[in-house]
Amino acid sequence: GENVEQHPSTLSVQEGDSAVIKCTYSDSASNYFPWYKQELGKRPQLIIDIRSNVGEKKDQRIAVTLNKTAKHFSLHITETQPEDSAVYFCAASKSNFGNEKLTFGTGTRLTIIP
Amino acid sequence: DVKVTQSSRYLVKRTGEKVFLECVQDMDHENMFWYRQDPGLGLRLIYFSYDVKMKEKGDIPEGYSVSREKKERFSLILESASTNQTSMYLCATRLGPSYEQYFGPGTRLTVT
Repeated sequence: GENVEQHPSTLSVQEGDSAVIKCTYSDSASNYFPWYKQELGKRPQLIIDIRSNVGEKKDQRIAVTLNKTAKHFSLHITETQPEDSAVYFCAASKSNFGNEKLTFGTGTRLTIIP
Repeated sequence: DVKVTQSSRYLVKRTGEKVFLECVQDMDHENMFWYRQDPGLGLRLIYFSYDVKMKEKGDIPEGYSVSREKKERFSLILESASTNQTSMYLCATRLGPSYEQYFGPGTRLTVT
């Protein structure tokens, strides 16, 4: 089955700086890669996703890049703000059939230092 | 707005008890999931259901079973609770593969 590794497990950045979180996956057939954000005491929520037919996707201050050859994808957050402090999870799955499941990474705790 | 609710936010049970966790969604989604979340281990899939009465084992199904008799309701059952099942349990639902997963608020289960 799919295996997703996520690094780093914790990350502290100064407010205004950029943060990068990296994930690798094992199954070359995976073609859907979402990122979820979980604020303290709240449920995970989707913030951005990318499909394997594109190499990069951007939404305001967040962007995700995908390298299919190397089987890795990254989340980039620019101009970080205190509200970016949270745990971020990457995930990977195939999307061909209804019973495909998401495999999550182990999470990155991002702390923005004011 | 998708609404995913779970029967309890906090639950305390004794070792050996049978425990039922219930998840209800109001969006007519086909797929429903049960995860457990533990520090440093991320979100691990216990079971999922891609249609009514259909279920598949996830990565850590041992000690758990599930039931989906109606589309909107997915139950997780701990047949005989053990202390190593103390955890946060999250339900999720989605329309289909490569669609957003919507999570419930979670149930923090403590087994003493």
